[in-house]
Amino acid sequence: SQQGEEDPQALSIQEGENATMNCSYKTSINNLQWYRQNSGRGLVHLILIRSNEREKHSGRLRVTLDTSKKSSSLLITASRAADTASYFCATDPDTGRRALTFGSGTRLQVQP
Amino acid sequence: DAGVTQSPTHLIKTRGQQVTLRCSPKSGHDTVSWYQQALGQGPQFIFQYYEEEERQRGNFPDRFSGHQFPNYSSELNVNALLLGDSALYLCASSTGLTQYFGPGTRLLVL
Repeated sequence: SQQGEEDPQALSIQEGENATMNCSYKTSINNLQWYRQNSGRGLVHLILIRSNEREKHSGRLRVTLDTSKKSSSLLITASRAADTASYFCATDPDTGRRALTFGSGTRLQVQP
Repeated sequence: DAGVTQSPTHLIKTRGQQVTLRCSPKSGHDTVSWYQQALGQGPQFIFQYYEEEERQRGNFPDRFSGHQFPNYSSELNVNALLLGDSALYLCASSTGLTQYFGPGTRLLVL
């Protein structure tokens, strides 16, 4: 079963615009990770945020985490056509186990 | 440094057959996890191997089994294939919190 749910399911924007994707989850976590997947291929790790962190940046990516609301957001600034992909959040539970639980993903289309 | 590799890339089987998928982790990684991704869905955790033992398992039947070798590479075996087993099978390796995924094996069961 999927723990996380991404919102929106699909997003279409123009190049240069910002894209925001949200993720909600149900149980306590050790960390939350965001991954990108191009056309049904392997997942590329984007960023990891620990449960005691509230915000993290990596290049054009900004991730926030609100553990009280069990939610996270991924912001991609100044989007490019190459950012077109599916984006998944994955939660790593606080049980000490390293089994990721993925959401259903947001399909981002960046129009040139 | 090679990333996670998986073989084969594509596979077609018929119902009732058995399949073996293979994964080589990133250099220095000792933990291998397997995920199943149905079309249009997020990956679902199958099981994880560490030190040649299954450390934990997701909600998958016993038809799904695995193995980890002394060099940390791993195999996923699926017996008595069902049509619903058609999916992208992803292997991920790790040594810490971050899991690095391979390109996957796409399995089609007819």
